[in-house]
Amino acid sequence: GQNIDQPTEMTATEGAIVQINCTYQTSGFNGLFWYQQHAGEAPTFLSYNVLDGLEEKGRFSSFLSRSKGYSYLLLKELQMKDSASYLCAVYSSASKIIFGSGTRLSIRP
Amino acid sequence: DSGVTQTPKHLITATGQRVTLRCSPRSGDLSVYWYQQSLDQGLQFLIHYYNGEERAKGNILERFSAQQFPDLHSELNLSSLELGDSALYFCASSVEAGEAFFGQGTRLTVV
Repeated sequence: GQNIDQPTEMTATEGAIVQINCTYQTSGFNGLFWYQQHAGEAPTFLSYNVLDGLEEKGRFSSFLSRSKGYSYLLLKELQMKDSASYLCAVYSSASKIIFGSGTRLSIRP
Repeated sequence: DSGVTQTPKHLITATGQRVTLRCSPRSGDLSVYWYQQSLDQGLQFLIHYYNGEERAKGNILERFSAQQFPDLHSELNLSSLELGDSALYFCASSVEAGEAFFGQGTRLTVV
């Protein structure tokens, strides 16, 4: 079976740091994605981790531990425009990209 | 702009009807994925095509079908529509394994 878990909602303060966790159990693993999605809009690509470790890209970083089936997305220097849903997705060996339900992040001033 | 084009942007149709959604992938991308997103729900994987061949199937209803043509564009056909089929339908494309870029989606409303 396939299962991807992430918190449903999180709240953080403008200028702060937030970490969004994702755990997964999938049949085969080729990589893990993070996407940002504003309501009613298309998901936009943030990161793709294939190997263990931390990948940094500006204010956003993503971490992967394949042995633990765990990833997180770290957002620094939060801005109001970062209010969105953040989607964790796994590229399985069955050629599927399976998404978690998403974490709705609210930023307060 | 992701480079992935979906048409139409909006579609309103009656129950029992059939519609076709179209997706043009980014230039050079061989993979096309289709997803359904109902209101306030996550993205549900429907189907994946690679270079004209079906690669993987998700929870796609028998009333739904898809194909990818030699020019790599893809169509998702939805028939015998029900109220519950109202959703955003996204396609995404990628070179092969790796980052997938999403189109702006087709918002289907079944009345």
